[in-house]
Amino acid sequence: DADVTQTPRNRITKTGKRIMLECSQTKGHDRMYWYRQDPGLGLRLIYYSFDVKDINKGEISDGYSVSRQAQAKFSLSLESAIPNQTALYFCATSGGGGNTIYFGEGSWLTVV
Amino acid sequence: GENVEQHPSTLSVQEGDSAVIKCTYSDSASNYFPWYKQELGKGPQLIIDIRSNVGEKKDQRIAVTLNKTAKHFSLHITETQPEDSAVYFCAATPDYKLSFGAGTTVTVRA
Repeated sequence: DADVTQTPRNRITKTGKRIMLECSQTKGHDRMYWYRQDPGLGLRLIYYSFDVKDINKGEISDGYSVSRQAQAKFSLSLESAIPNQTALYFCATSGGGGNTIYFGEGSWLTVV
Repeated sequence: GENVEQHPSTLSVQEGDSAVIKCTYSDSASNYFPWYKQELGKGPQLIIDIRSNVGEKKDQRIAVTLNKTAKHFSLHITETQPEDSAVYFCAATPDYKLSFGAGTTVTVRA
């Protein structure tokens, strides 16, 4: 089983709908992240959390919200999806004194 | 915040030749520089990293060099093989939040 699991892996939703992407990890890491990948733009940080009670905005947080339900769970929500939020979304974790970030398999989101 | 630029955006090499990808960063406080490989349909995976107290690191066919003065670092892949075809990302950080380059699509021609 994957250490970082994202659900759903693929989702098509309509403009204006609320959508939640969920992430769970079995690595025991404190730090969790949500990144967005677009062609030619690399990976951009949406939100990050260094502890259960810690939530921070990344470089592109507008239109998104997150919830850290437990150390192992970090969900990303689009309250009212719009077409330019069509992208590949990655959850990631890191822990201890190391900087290494471990990624999930990704969630493809299409907003029509 | 940190700004990372990566070149080239695409790279096609003959099998057996070398591939070089270059990145620059803006924040002089950055001290950790990982490289990730992303295969089709998968999440990025760490292939090698380097810290600011080291100028070069090698792992079999891949190596990374760091020039702190010029704020640039490079990935070198020698004796390329078809399985090296993927998207490669460089990243940099002074803390625990990675800033990524835009990625390089490497194609190894048989």
